[in-house]
Amino acid sequence: AQSVAQPEDQVNVAEGNPLTVKCTYSVSGNPYLFWYVQYPNRGLQFLLKYITGDNLVKGSYGFEAEFNKSQTSFHLKKPSALVSDSALYFCAVRDMYSGAGSYQLTFGKGTKLSVIP
Amino acid sequence: GAVVSQHPSRVICKSGTSVKIECRSLDFQATTMFWYRQFPKQSLMLMATSNEGSKATYEQGVEKDKFLINHASLTLSTLTVTSAHPEDSSFYICSASIGGGAVGYNEQFFGPGTRLTVL
Repeated sequence: AQSVAQPEDQVNVAEGNPLTVKCTYSVSGNPYLFWYVQYPNRGLQFLLKYITGDNLVKGSYGFEAEFNKSQTSFHLKKPSALVSDSALYFCAVRDMYSGAGSYQLTFGKGTKLSVIP
Repeated sequence: GAVVSQHPSRVICKSGTSVKIECRSLDFQATTMFWYRQFPKQSLMLMATSNEGSKATYEQGVEKDKFLINHASLTLSTLTVTSAHPEDSSFYICSASIGGGAVGYNEQFFGPGTRLTVL
């Protein structure tokens, strides 16, 4: 079984400061990892994904995430936070070996990011 | 590319009525579509997975007779909440995956969600 943990319900950061939203995962095989952002009453917007290759993945809106296999982590980062980054962030994982036609994602519970002006 | 739409975006209905929510992939063919339910301040809960032309696979605890899913074409899936009750009020989100190609590279593209309120 695969699982995702986002240990922080809420992260507060001052505008202009770097931000980190934490995510750890558990899969039986190699992971495919995703970050999504959700604004109030909206669906999920894709930010970035890790499939293979470089451990540092760059995504939309200046976000990046680093895949750390030894720590089974995929923390989301941004060098300088904007007030408009305030939203709900979800980490998701699927196992590479979950089988053809099976694209189910397992989501973390979400982390609310508040960027303070 | 890879845009998914949902209709309606918001619906209010009376208890006991049925509501249909449509999920469309606008610029790609979606072999697999997913339906999620999200409660306030909570994560997405997968309800069911549907493949075009076959019956949906429901997650444990989800009533298939209450939440009817039809995936009649590669661009359209519908979720019908039958005999809706206030406890069915929630935010319903669909997603779609592009079939074929390298398995595992397929990601899910999410619709904007539908807010259902049952009075």
